[in-house]
Amino acid sequence: NAGVTQTPKFQVLKTGQSMTLQCAQDMNHNSMYWYRQDPGMGLRLIYYSASEGTTDKGEVPNGYNVSRLNKREFSLRLESAAPSQTSVYFCASSEAPSGSGETQYFGPGTRLLVL
Amino acid sequence: AQSVTQLGSHVSVSEGALVLLRCNYSSSVPPYLFWYVQYPNQGLQLLLKYTTGATLVKGINGFEAEFKKSETSFHLTKPSAHMSDAAEYFCAVSDRGAQKLVFGQGTRLTINP
Repeated sequence: NAGVTQTPKFQVLKTGQSMTLQCAQDMNHNSMYWYRQDPGMGLRLIYYSASEGTTDKGEVPNGYNVSRLNKREFSLRLESAAPSQTSVYFCASSEAPSGSGETQYFGPGTRLLVL
Repeated sequence: AQSVTQLGSHVSVSEGALVLLRCNYSSSVPPYLFWYVQYPNQGLQLLLKYTTGATLVKGINGFEAEFKKSETSFHLTKPSAHMSDAAEYFCAVSDRGAQKLVFGQGTRLTINP
């Protein structure tokens, strides 16, 4: 039982390049989330998927797109990377949306540097 | 909109001393409340949470937190700090029926020998 896995662990991009961050969970959870973590700002929600087949914008969605590929996988795509997207990205999952008191389980993170 | 405030971005205590990390939320209706811990270069893991019932919640590694509705607070405490407690701690809140968590800015805890 690996929990939440993320690939890659670390990535360097040049401005304008695109990439996809992958996330998978093996806990049969319905809800999945993408966050970015920046110093002094806590975690900010980028996009979430309350259940398979649905996605919604979070607090900071600009410059990102997501795909809920199936119940296990939720990917985050940067179409044209910018230096402001340099951050640590975390994927999380929960059995049900957080408004039911469910715990979110986090992956180890992807460190992204955009030059 | 719900907001979360953690007082003090950095807290430093001596080994064996009391740890107190403060968290206040903004909503008038009691939400669900969480504390997460992040060790260096790792993801977040749940320390404890309050959903309903007893207002004093016990978590892992000797931590506990008390939900105080009148003060809209959910402060995290540990009676005696250990070197292994050095990490960043995040308070998070979810309104009942909401889809998502709102995180505080985080508090970095340093333990002095």
